[in-house]
Amino acid sequence: DQQVKQNSPSLSVQEGRISILNCDYTNSMFDYFLWYKKYPAEGPTFLISISSIKDKNEDGRFTVFLNKSAKHLSLHIVPSQPGDSAVYFCAASRGDDKIIFGKGTRLHILP
Amino acid sequence: DTEVTQTPKHLVMGMTNKKSLKCEQHMGHRAMYWYKQKAKKPPELMFVYSYEKLSINESVPSRFSPECPNSSLLNLHLHALQPEDSALYLCASSLQLTDTQYFGPGTRLTVL
Repeated sequence: DQQVKQNSPSLSVQEGRISILNCDYTNSMFDYFLWYKKYPAEGPTFLISISSIKDKNEDGRFTVFLNKSAKHLSLHIVPSQPGDSAVYFCAASRGDDKIIFGKGTRLHILP
Repeated sequence: DTEVTQTPKHLVMGMTNKKSLKCEQHMGHRAMYWYKQKAKKPPELMFVYSYEKLSINESVPSRFSPECPNSSLLNLHLHALQPEDSALYLCASSLQLTDTQYFGPGTRLTVL
């Protein structure tokens, strides 16, 4: 049973436009959510996180939105840059339990 | 120092060899993790250490043996591995369990 789902395996966005990556989860007990970015042959790099007590967290070009009633979160990247091309993983955790990852979305930024 | 380091970067070993992967952080983090990642898949959690004690073992075969000699070091001892164990092995650390994890660059392991 996949508790964290990223239903789009890939996404292509024009440079300068907004990239929106989506993530759905099934466990309403999750209280902390993270986004990681991964380049080929490298480990995942933490990008941004959000606690369940918030509905938005912003860090520079990256904003994460959390909709608890829909069990949905999204990552917005504005404006998209060529260096943003990577695989993005959504992850969630509950209390002091382990972190559950989604399968990732490959983002291609087009020139 | 705000990074997690892993050595070696690449490792090729035979099925009868014994080798170790090393992970180090000097951020004062008290939780450390080993993940295994196959191509085009998200990292799979293997082991979690909290305050140098094994907290989670995700039913990993005994040919993988973790060790946390101190709060800055995490080792993964490998013995009698199989070719299907070839993968990227990632180490991560966090201040406490469930805090943001910071990942190392990984060790690319090939088992022949």
